[in-house]
Amino acid sequence: DAGVIQSPRHEVTEMGQEVTLRCKPISGHDYLFWYRQTMMRGLELLIYFNNNVPIDDSGMPEDRFSAKMPNASFSTLKIQPSEPRDSAVYFCASSLSGGSSDYGYTFGSGTRLTVV
Amino acid sequence: GENVEQHPSTLSVQEGDSAVIKCTYSDSASNYFPWYKQELGKRPQLIIDIRSNVGEKKDQRIAVTLNKTAKHFSLHITETQPEDSAVYFCAASGVRGSYIPTFGRGTSLIVHP
Repeated sequence: DAGVIQSPRHEVTEMGQEVTLRCKPISGHDYLFWYRQTMMRGLELLIYFNNNVPIDDSGMPEDRFSAKMPNASFSTLKIQPSEPRDSAVYFCASSLSGGSSDYGYTFGSGTRLTVV
Repeated sequence: GENVEQHPSTLSVQEGDSAVIKCTYSDSASNYFPWYKQELGKRPQLIIDIRSNVGEKKDQRIAVTLNKTAKHFSLHITETQPEDSAVYFCAASGVRGSYIPTFGRGTSLIVHP
């Protein structure tokens, strides 16, 4: 299995532009998570899905952020409009049945977003 | 919700020394405690975990201990090597049957050769 696949690996965009981050979870995993990592705030859970349905989006910082999971093999995190303070590494993770070691909790390689 | 505190934020040791990272959690219902290692520029990866029905678990040079009464758990790395240098995250989960982890802020471990 190729693991959790994220694209792009790096994204540099100008303030005000729309940014779309993509994630392909491990086949068969029923949970998908989006995290944001910064030096100031560490790893923050933004939103997670179970069987393609958003379960908890309380970590989404504001309305500029939205996430979708149209099918079991694809999810997007969109920021519109982007701001410099959105600069961070965004990780996608997937798991089977929520993430105990019996079922695996695997991170993707992340997308490093820089908004200038 | 669950709150996980992790200390220290940075830890510098000489090669061969031991390193200890400590975490506390707030929700007594948490019952699963994984540790992740994140090397520079890479993804966090699970290195060891422990469940609440076990007090200690070892895997070669790393071990994790859990004190449920005090609600704290620790990662111990013995005979540290330069390749142990990374950011380590603790997490707690299991509240209300969910394994969604709450992460600590991370500890940057530097092992000097």
